[in-house]
Amino acid sequence: GAVVSQHPSWVICKSGTSVKIECRSLDFQATTMFWYRQFPKQSLMLMATSNEGSKATYEQGVEKDKFLINHASLTLSTLTVTSAHPEDSSFYICSAFPPAKRNTGELFFGEGSRLTVL
Amino acid sequence: GNSVTQMEGPVTLSEEAFLTINCTYTATGYPSLFWYVQYPGEGLQLLLKATKADDKGSNKGFEATYRKETTSFHLEKGSVQVSDSAVYFCALPFITSGTYKYIFGTGTRLKVLA
Repeated sequence: GAVVSQHPSWVICKSGTSVKIECRSLDFQATTMFWYRQFPKQSLMLMATSNEGSKATYEQGVEKDKFLINHASLTLSTLTVTSAHPEDSSFYICSAFPPAKRNTGELFFGEGSRLTVL
Repeated sequence: GNSVTQMEGPVTLSEEAFLTINCTYTATGYPSLFWYVQYPGEGLQLLLKATKADDKGSNKGFEATYRKETTSFHLEKGSVQVSDSAVYFCALPFITSGTYKYIFGTGTRLKVLA
């Protein structure tokens, strides 16, 4: 099956620093990837849709200067949390679907990256 | 608009008990419906899906039937195991401006006791 992998799984950083999270599709090409944020005991909130070779589409209320998304290749999208603050601490999850699954709508998720900002 | 309403948890059951997690939806048209499962510390995995009305999705002993008349997609399992302890999400995909989007339910945490 399709595999999506995230790195790192866990990251702890100091307030004011920037953190980059990578999302890779390991066995398929993904022109589109999705970044979600999950708060404790809550559902997933779509942050943005990452489009290969073009700008990401951000959801309402998500600061694009805060959460930089780059989709430079068909297998890699990155989320950079800039000038991180404790309120940015969360579980970030990426997802994608292989072209063969596009019509089914089935998403494949990365393992998630837990960010803790001190 | 599109929405998903999911039964709130947590749900605590003894091993071999019967499980039902309710999910109802509102949607334009007849979308596919999904159940995803999230084990502790992990991302989401597809558990089962149904692509049209009256379809029954099944996997690992779990079942859900896409019921158009009640706009429901309830998740059931006849005999839960400790290893089923996880958070379960009902999800509805839709296309807007040519892009896929998903609406997830709030998630239902299941804890199964030995």
